[in-house]
Amino acid sequence: ETGVTQSPTHLIKTRGQQVTLRCSSQSGHNTVSWYQQALGQGPQFIFQYYREEENGRGNFPPRFSGLQFPNYSSELNVNALELDDSALYLCASSSASGGYSYEQYFGPGTRLTVT
Amino acid sequence: SQQGEEDPQALSIQEGENATMNCSYKTSINNLQWYRQNSGRGLVHLILIRSNEREKHSGRLRVTLDTSKKSSSLLITASRAADTASYFCATGNDMRFGAGTRLTVKP
Repeated sequence: ETGVTQSPTHLIKTRGQQVTLRCSSQSGHNTVSWYQQALGQGPQFIFQYYREEENGRGNFPPRFSGLQFPNYSSELNVNALELDDSALYLCASSSASGGYSYEQYFGPGTRLTVT
Repeated sequence: SQQGEEDPQALSIQEGENATMNCSYKTSINNLQWYRQNSGRGLVHLILIRSNEREKHSGRLRVTLDTSKKSSSLLITASRAADTASYFCATGNDMRFGAGTRLTVKP
């Protein structure tokens, strides 16, 4: 197992609500990335944070937002939930230097269901 | 859009056989990574190959990279039932993944 943890494990929300998912990075890692994985699909890159600054964003609307804290833990916030937001949300931490990416260590994911 | 695209989408083999899956990508890369995902769980990093490397080994895994063809392959030798999982390649600092190859190893 990696040292990356995510909470909660499972979550059920109603359309239109807001949700916050949390991730604790592996010790010593300065970069965290968030992914959305629909059933049967590969992970889709949402965004990445490097030393508390957003460092890249995928094709997701602004209602998906994030934070990275000084201790390198992270949050993913999703506003105005839609049914299509139902998915497994994965965070991954890594060490990055000078724009060069290294292997990522994934958490077990949060399964979000929107009804 | 996804950067890595794996092929085949699904692969079923008998225990002890070798499994080969391929990955194609579109733009230049610093490195390419392979990951495994057991059903509904987090991804596990398998191997990273840098753009100036052509082949890399890790245990029963062998990865090749052909930057002229923008492609990579992952070979799992002497497969085991425990290798049953989805396998993904990823490239770029933002780790663009393909849809994966679903490998089933029958005992």
